[in-house]
Amino acid sequence: AQTVTQSQPEMSVQEAETVTLSCTYDTSESDYYLFWYKQPPSRQMILVIRQEAYKQQNATENRFSVNFQKAAKSFSLKISDSQLGDAAMYFCAYPNTGNQFYFGTGTSLTVIP
Amino acid sequence: DTAVSQTPKYLVTQMGNDKSIKCEQNLGHDTMYWYKQDSKKFLKIMFSYNNKELIINETVPNRFSPKSPDKAHLNLHINSLELGDSAVYFCASSNFAGTANEKLFFGSGTQLSVL
Repeated sequence: AQTVTQSQPEMSVQEAETVTLSCTYDTSESDYYLFWYKQPPSRQMILVIRQEAYKQQNATENRFSVNFQKAAKSFSLKISDSQLGDAAMYFCAYPNTGNQFYFGTGTSLTVIP
Repeated sequence: DTAVSQTPKYLVTQMGNDKSIKCEQNLGHDTMYWYKQDSKKFLKIMFSYNNKELIINETVPNRFSPKSPDKAHLNLHINSLELGDSAVYFCASSNFAGTANEKLFFGSGTQLSVL
């Protein structure tokens, strides 16, 4: 069974600093994708970044980047130059072969002014 | 234009009632989903549906049933509501061409409160 684990229920970061959110997953597939979604207090689920497992290069989207370690089944999210608007729940997600997404339990990020 | 819209945003009802949540997507996607987010923010897949196949998560009670009148709509019907059904329900859609690489587009959620 696919599982996604986020071991940090809460994290905090000073504005303009960098923070890394952890995620590990379990799969027997060799080719797959991984996602990070953000859920601000508005409740809307917003895609942050997507990583293709067969690509060795880590994905980046502006201030967001991932550290993807395929052998370790680790997929962490780094947020650089943190802004107040980054405060949200962050979910790591893995879609199975039917594109049904399995989400981690989430990390609540607080940004301190 | 909202890509995935669901109504209502809030639903308060009594235990034992039957209720429906509607979902529509205007993205031309072929697959739609329902997810449940509990009070601890845990998100869990309930159903995925395209014009060929309905996949039901085995833990979903049969009081929950998806109904799809057409490719752009997937409504959620809940019979005999229970207190434990209180949660936020998200509709989502994606294109699924046989590979699990398409991002999900989510609706804004329906907060269901069962009293």
